[in-house]
Amino acid sequence: EVQLVESGGGSVQPGGSLRLSCAASGFTFSDYWMHWVRQAPGKGLVWVSRIYSDGTNTIYADSVKGRFTISRDNAKNTLYLQMTSLRAEDTAVYYCARDSHYRQDHWGQGTLVTVSS
Amino acid sequence: QSALTQPASVSGSPGQSITISCTGTNSDIGNNYVSWYQQHPGRAPKLMIYDVSYRPSGVSNRFSGSKSANTASLTISGLQAEDEADYYCSAYTRINTWVFGGGTKLTVL
Repeated sequence: EVQLVESGGGSVQPGGSLRLSCAASGFTFSDYWMHWVRQAPGKGLVWVSRIYSDGTNTIYADSVKGRFTISRDNAKNTLYLQMTSLRAEDTAVYYCARDSHYRQDHWGQGTLVTVSS
Repeated sequence: QSALTQPASVSGSPGQSITISCTGTNSDIGNNYVSWYQQHPGRAPKLMIYDVSYRPSGVSNRFSGSKSANTASLTISGLQAEDEADYYCSAYTRINTWVFGGGTKLTVL
């Protein structure tokens, strides 16, 4: 069974940093692209970033480009999202999701990030 | 990248059919990698339709997808109470990013 478990969320002040993790199991992690998708409270889904299976290529939404960095450790079956220069508008539940041919076919339960002074 | 356009809400009675539209551009919907997700309150999204009209294993055949020009549609037939949820369309774009719709709240009357 595919499982994705996010962690690392919490409260942080504007301008601060946070690193999210997503532990994967139940599939060969190193074979799949992975994504981060976020959802602000009461709002819709917003795609954040994608990373290739070998980590050699990454792409970001304009809203986080230059502030967020997606990475992965295939030896640890773990996906990361390093978030810096955080803003109030980054407050959201952050989901990691597995990519299967340009669709997100499995999702974690999410981790909440709150940016507030 | 602008969000895809979905109606904010739709409703139907049990047993009826409803359709949710999702309008974009040639650069996203026109790319033919359109997916639909169901999200119940407090839960993670679940993939319901991919590549415009294909159902993942385990998804009821009451769910179907289609596309005309730059508008994709999700149809749910034989509405059931458990179908009440938020539904999101998504598309893989020609600039190798993904874009979601704003979401549609389905109410089963």
